[in-house]
Amino acid sequence: GQQVMQIPQYQHVQEGEDFTTYCNSSTTLSNIQWYKQRPGGHPVFLIQLVKSGEVKKQKRLTFQFGEAKKNSSLHITATQTTDVGTYFCAGLDTNAGKSTFGDGTTLTVKP
Amino acid sequence: GAVVSQHPSRVICKSGTSVKIECRSLDFQATTMFWYRQFPKQSLMLMATSNEGSKATYEQGVEKDKFLINHASLTLSTLTVTSAHPEDSSFYICSANRYNEQFFGPGTRLTVL
Repeated sequence: GQQVMQIPQYQHVQEGEDFTTYCNSSTTLSNIQWYKQRPGGHPVFLIQLVKSGEVKKQKRLTFQFGEAKKNSSLHITATQTTDVGTYFCAGLDTNAGKSTFGDGTTLTVKP
Repeated sequence: GAVVSQHPSRVICKSGTSVKIECRSLDFQATTMFWYRQFPKQSLMLMATSNEGSKATYEQGVEKDKFLINHASLTLSTLTVTSAHPEDSSFYICSANRYNEQFFGPGTRLTVL
């Protein structure tokens, strides 16, 4: 079945440093979504990417969808303590008709 | 944005009892809702897709007789964990799609003693 892998599992950065998490799918995706889950909270939708090679920005966050629609990345510029949490990608495989979540990358930011 | 609520937020029960968790879409209608389970420090695992007015679709390895799903209206889906055991202790989260976004409920933490 579809597998979605996410790396790294954990990332510790100093406030102000950049952060990137990568998501790779074993199958071609129709779209990919990114979520943020704060400790003790529930996942919150960040963005959806649909087109091959698509790049979207939300303030300090940059999201990319690979040309082959099998990988994606989330980059945060100049991290802040409010960025802490676990970032999940979820890829929609239309053949399977469902989304599969990656294992998540947990970001901690040292002030 | 759209709001999805879940009730209860926490439940502690004895082994062998059944627990019902409700998932409601508060300001939109959802013909499809999803139920996930999340163990500590792990990802969300899709358990089943709840379809209004029809049977739920369960993922491989999820026992449909243990995790009963009912989607009786366009705004309510329920998950009943029957004869719960300690290994069922987990964080259960529902979600509903609206347009191209997936909205998650706040989750229910189930502890089975």
